[in-house]
Amino acid sequence: EAEVAQSPRYKITEKSQAVAFWCDPISGHATLYWYRQILGQGPELLVQFQDESVVDDSQLPKDRFSAERLKGVDSTLKIQPAELGDSAMYLCASSSGQKGKTQYFGPGTRLLVL
Amino acid sequence: DQQVKQNSPSLSVQEGRISILNCDYTNSMFDYFLWYKKYPAEGPTFLISISSIKDKNEDGRFTVFLNKSAKHLSLHIVPSQPGDSAVYFCAARGVSGGATNKLIFGTGTLLAVQP
Repeated sequence: EAEVAQSPRYKITEKSQAVAFWCDPISGHATLYWYRQILGQGPELLVQFQDESVVDDSQLPKDRFSAERLKGVDSTLKIQPAELGDSAMYLCASSSGQKGKTQYFGPGTRLLVL
Repeated sequence: DQQVKQNSPSLSVQEGRISILNCDYTNSMFDYFLWYKKYPAEGPTFLISISSIKDKNEDGRFTVFLNKSAKHLSLHIVPSQPGDSAVYFCAARGVSGGATNKLIFGTGTLLAVQP
């Protein structure tokens, strides 16, 4: 069964450092999402891509976060500089087409900022 | 303002009995609802979904009911098994100008199925 791949699974960093997360969606899925889940809350969308284009980044803190999907396949989410409040689970999901109703999630990257 | 609410943070059920997880929403424009199951340190796993034009969808032991007038949906698991113990998230698909497909999640309900 096809799955969304993410790496690393865990990341510990010090505040003010740069971190990057990688995601490879299910093959053929044109739509890719990055969510952030803080402990005790549900996931919240950070950015949505349709192929290589951003269609929604309204909740992305653009002063420190950036995301790209250059060839419309895999994607990278970067934080620079990391802050203590960025500690969370970062989840990548994909769906087939912009109107794909079901999003399939990867295992996530657990980030701890010290 | 939280548009999707799961008011029960936890639920404990005996093995073999029915588990009922509830979810309320405020936005009548949501057109699709989903339930995800999440184990610790893993990503959410899709369970079952329902379109806003339906009131029930069933898949094996899982049934989702939608009451649009009450803006309420529920997930029934029958019979409950110890392996069902996890956090369950309700999610609604937001419709925003047709461009975005983002899901709005509730805060989750921790289900514990006791052997």
